[in-house]
Amino acid sequence: GDSVTQTEGQVALSEEDFLTIHCNYSASGYPALFWYVQYPGEGPQFLFRASRDKEKGSSRGFEATYDKGTTSFHLRKASVQESDSAVYYCALGLSGSFNKLTFGAGTRLAVCP
Amino acid sequence: GPKVLQIPSHQIIDMGQMVTLNCDPVSNHLYFYWYKQILGQQMEFLVNFYNGKVMEKSKLFKDQFSVERPDGSYFTLKIQPTALEDSAVYFCASSVTNERLFFGHGTKLSVL
Repeated sequence: GDSVTQTEGQVALSEEDFLTIHCNYSASGYPALFWYVQYPGEGPQFLFRASRDKEKGSSRGFEATYDKGTTSFHLRKASVQESDSAVYYCALGLSGSFNKLTFGAGTRLAVCP
Repeated sequence: GPKVLQIPSHQIIDMGQMVTLNCDPVSNHLYFYWYKQILGQQMEFLVNFYNGKVMEKSKLFKDQFSVERPDGSYFTLKIQPTALEDSAVYFCASSVTNERLFFGHGTKLSVL
């Protein structure tokens, strides 16, 4: 079945560090890829999406580029802030699946001041 | 921005009882979803609902589960009877298209 793999379960950084969270996917079709962020006590919030090869999605300084060749959609940010501390989820959605999202396991980011 | 409201935020019930989780989706949205998240684990799709019908459901959506949206009001998830393994946070979401899903804050269900 379709799946999303996030390599890092937890990431600990200091403010202004560079962030990379790795996301790889496996899908039967040509999926749209998403990043969501979840703060404590809340539901996931949409960060951005990309739907075709080489397309870059971005929001709030975060960005990721759809790479069909390596089946990846890695999340990056040049300089993290303490307020970025949250759980980040990579997800995929297939057309014709009525917008069902398949989520990765999530990566908990902790940024220290 | 648009908000999905979930009521209640926490529900505690005894195993075997019935429970109904309520969701007030964004007003012009057409697609509705339930996801289940066990503490510390990933979000897992349960079901999606469109035009008054279940469109897709996962293996987690057991026979004891049902969803409905009577007369365009709350979108509900009913579990009857509940089991210990139903303890989790249940997230409702809604969307217009496949651009993005809007999630509520979740209802934590504790089955004793």
